[in-house]
Amino acid sequence: DTGVSQDPRHKITKRGQNVTFRCDPISEHNRLYWYRQTLGQGPEFLTYFQNEAQLEKSRLLSDRFSAERPKGSFSTLEIQRTEQGDSAMYLCASSLRLAGGNEQFFGPGTRLTVL
Amino acid sequence: GQNIDQPTEMTATEGAIVQINCTYQTSGFNGLFWYQQHAGEAPTFLSYNVLDGLEEKGRFSSFLSRSKGYSYLLLKELQMKDSASYLCAVRDSNTDKLIFGTGTRLQVFP
Repeated sequence: DTGVSQDPRHKITKRGQNVTFRCDPISEHNRLYWYRQTLGQGPEFLTYFQNEAQLEKSRLLSDRFSAERPKGSFSTLEIQRTEQGDSAMYLCASSLRLAGGNEQFFGPGTRLTVL
Repeated sequence: GQNIDQPTEMTATEGAIVQINCTYQTSGFNGLFWYQQHAGEAPTFLSYNVLDGLEEKGRFSSFLSRSKGYSYLLLKELQMKDSASYLCAVRDSNTDKLIFGTGTRLQVFP
């Protein structure tokens, strides 16, 4: 399968624990995005990378959140000291940045439940 | 500021035609996307407009008017499997990030 993959698909954790999610983009895509989606809402932008550089972070991304893309391929999103409000679907998307831009392809998401 | 509005819910009958409207106000614009999302699944790409006019792809068409900040998604010959949420998203001109509306949940009845 050559689409965007995410791991794990589901994560249940207790409040205060740290969690880490992984995203593997489509192999030739140089841009990688993280979004968060809560029930009944559209996805909200969190952060994005062009190759290994993190170019923008949303105000939604508090200091408990950190994202990396160390070699410009896969990315990780870590949430420290999770809170119940962090419960959401975390979506990763990738695209190939060309002149004029290009569509984003989404992974299946990681559903986080914080108890 | 950035604001994208679309109806929360719509219903339609199998075989019918439905139009889902989207209005937007954004600081930068580099195209408008429509995604389909079934419950518990990731969004899947449906259509993209960057210039004014109608783009047709099979049973789905999307229209854009940049001067009016308006788009619609037209679904023809509705099928039960079209029951899903339809997300309107504007692409930011600098970062390519997508700014989504809340989505329109469409229910298709027999």
